[in-house]
Amino acid sequence: DAGVTQSPTHLIKTRGQHVTLRCSPISGHKSVSWYQQVLGQGPQFIFQYYEKEERGRGNFPDRFSARQFPNYSSELNVNALLLGDSALYLCASSLELGSRLFFGSGTQLSVL
Amino acid sequence: GENVEQHPSTLSVQEGDSAVIKCTYSDSASNYFPWYKQELGKRPQLIIDIRSNVGEKKDQRIAVTLNKTAKHFSLHITETQPEDSAVYFCAASRGGNFNKFYFGSGTKLNVKP
Repeated sequence: DAGVTQSPTHLIKTRGQHVTLRCSPISGHKSVSWYQQVLGQGPQFIFQYYEKEERGRGNFPDRFSARQFPNYSSELNVNALLLGDSALYLCASSLELGSRLFFGSGTQLSVL
Repeated sequence: GENVEQHPSTLSVQEGDSAVIKCTYSDSASNYFPWYKQELGKRPQLIIDIRSNVGEKKDQRIAVTLNKTAKHFSLHITETQPEDSAVYFCAASRGGNFNKFYFGSGTKLNVKP
């Protein structure tokens, strides 16, 4: 029984570049959320998608965007990377809105 | 928006002792409170959760209590074991169409053998 899968696991980029992170939810889950976790802190909400529509957005700049595909997988895009974007990016899926949230192992992004 | 505060930031206990981690929240509309355990380099794992229509929930050595009036909830781990060592996060959500989760800053639990 596959859990939430994310790729890549690690990524190194330089300032100004863009990055695309990918997530596959648990089979049957219709909602995908993205969180940013800076070292030593709790995850911070970036986006939530449900049935391919954006249902929530956190306090992140427009450089951050996401989408959800018909198979419920999702991508998080970050443009014009800054040093402060270095973090663990977690994807989480839930069966429905308001259901339990299950996390993937994350993508560790380092911006140099 | 919601603000979740978590204490303590670090907690060291002897194997077999109990551990208690406390969280407070600010949004009275929050009605779902999960707890996650995150081991170093691994994904946060849901260990227990509680909805606002109950005051306490127990699962083997782990229990969560909720006081809606005071807007705080706590995680209780009894008979701690070295494998309980990890960072624990509390979270709060309104649930329903508002599935945004607000997380506490985490508690690093160290269980000494």
